[in-house]
Amino acid sequence: ELKVEQNPLFLSMQEGKNYTIYCNYSTTSDRLYWYRQDPGKSLESLFVLLSNGAVKQEGRLMASLDTKARLSTLHITAAVHDLSATYFCAVDLSSNSGYALNFGKGTSLLVTP
Amino acid sequence: NAGVMQNPRHLVRRRGQEARLRCSPMKGHSHVYWYRQLPEEGLKFMVYLQKENIIDESGMPKERFSAEFPKEGPSILRIQQVVRGDSAAYFCASSRESNTEAFFGQGTRLTVV
Repeated sequence: ELKVEQNPLFLSMQEGKNYTIYCNYSTTSDRLYWYRQDPGKSLESLFVLLSNGAVKQEGRLMASLDTKARLSTLHITAAVHDLSATYFCAVDLSSNSGYALNFGKGTSLLVTP
Repeated sequence: NAGVMQNPRHLVRRRGQEARLRCSPMKGHSHVYWYRQLPEEGLKFMVYLQKENIIDESGMPKERFSAEFPKEGPSILRIQQVVRGDSAAYFCASSRESNTEAFFGQGTRLTVV
């Protein structure tokens, strides 16, 4: 069974600080996704990482993928309050199952003044 | 172009009743995925459907749960004889093709009392 583990699960950080969220997964996969979820809302796609060494950046968020280590990171630079949300990484369960993803438990991020 | 539409947004059922959750995919999308999110957990894949066919139901509980995606109309996730443990947020996602990015609806929050 494919397992996806995120850490930390809870993160409180001050505005202006940097931090990294880690996502480890247990078996080979072609694609890794990062999502953001606000309370009571749906999932917003942040990044899709398709190959080893892939790095993508959007604003204060940067995601990277190391398929050999089965590790993805989501780096937050100079955090602001608007980034407070839950962040999920997700990995394809099987290339034969379309978009069937296995999600981590999520990292609840709170950015404080 | 409307996004993935789910209804109802909130559903309350007494134990033993039936719950029907609807998902209308984005225009032009013929692939639908259902996920369940328990409180403070990540999403768990349930079932993948393409018009009139169930492609992968490996995440569906063996009893009481069923899903369909008819030629006309929305996809339906049906839960018979609901129990308190069925209380969760149920998300649907749709994609144009298999293995292309899917977009999530806003979810149906089911509460069993």
